[in-house]
Amino acid sequence: AQKITQTQPGMFVQEKEAVTLDCTYDTSDQSYGLFWYKQPSSGEMIFLIYQGSYDEQNATEGRYSLNFQKARKSANLVISASQLGDSAMYFCAMRSFWMGTSYDKVIFGPGTSLSVIP
Amino acid sequence: NAGVMQNPRHLVRRRGQEARLRCSPMKGHSHVYWYRQLPEEGLKFMVYLQKENIIDESGMPKERFSAEFPKEGPSILRIQQVVRGDSAAYFCASSPPSDFATNEKLFFGSGTQLSVL
Repeated sequence: AQKITQTQPGMFVQEKEAVTLDCTYDTSDQSYGLFWYKQPSSGEMIFLIYQGSYDEQNATEGRYSLNFQKARKSANLVISASQLGDSAMYFCAMRSFWMGTSYDKVIFGPGTSLSVIP
Repeated sequence: NAGVMQNPRHLVRRRGQEARLRCSPMKGHSHVYWYRQLPEEGLKFMVYLQKENIIDESGMPKERFSAEFPKEGPSILRIQQVVRGDSAAYFCASSPPSDFATNEKLFFGSGTQLSVL
């Protein structure tokens, strides 16, 4: 069965410092994508970054980068130069699909609450 | 291109009533997903639909919950005879189909907060 694990329920980081949020996943599918979403206290889900299972280079989007280690099945999110507005819940997600079929599943981890300290 | 539209934003029901949650996906998106989020928890997959078809409902409770995505109109998540434990935020997301080259992200609606009195 597919599963996403985020082992850090809560994290604190000093403003302007970098922080790494852990994510490990379990799947037997060959093709999949890994995503990170941010959910501030207002509740909306904000897409941050995506990594495909066949991508050889780690994804980057501004201050966000994804440390993808396929053999270890980990997809950690790195936020550089943390800002107060980064305080939020962060969810790791995985999308699996089988070409030529309608199978297409997206599951989420339990989340990590990040608090940025001034 | 309007985003994923969910309504109502807040829904209050008494125990035993029915709740109907609506989701209009982004234009051109054929995949709709429903998730439930309890306070301080992550998103739990409920159901995945394409037009007129339920593809995966493995996360749906066996009773009282149903979903549809008709040829015309929004996707509907229906909860019959609601109980207090159904109180949660329900998120809808939509996406184009995945392919080998581009694994599309999900676009989320703002969610419907269901409160059962």
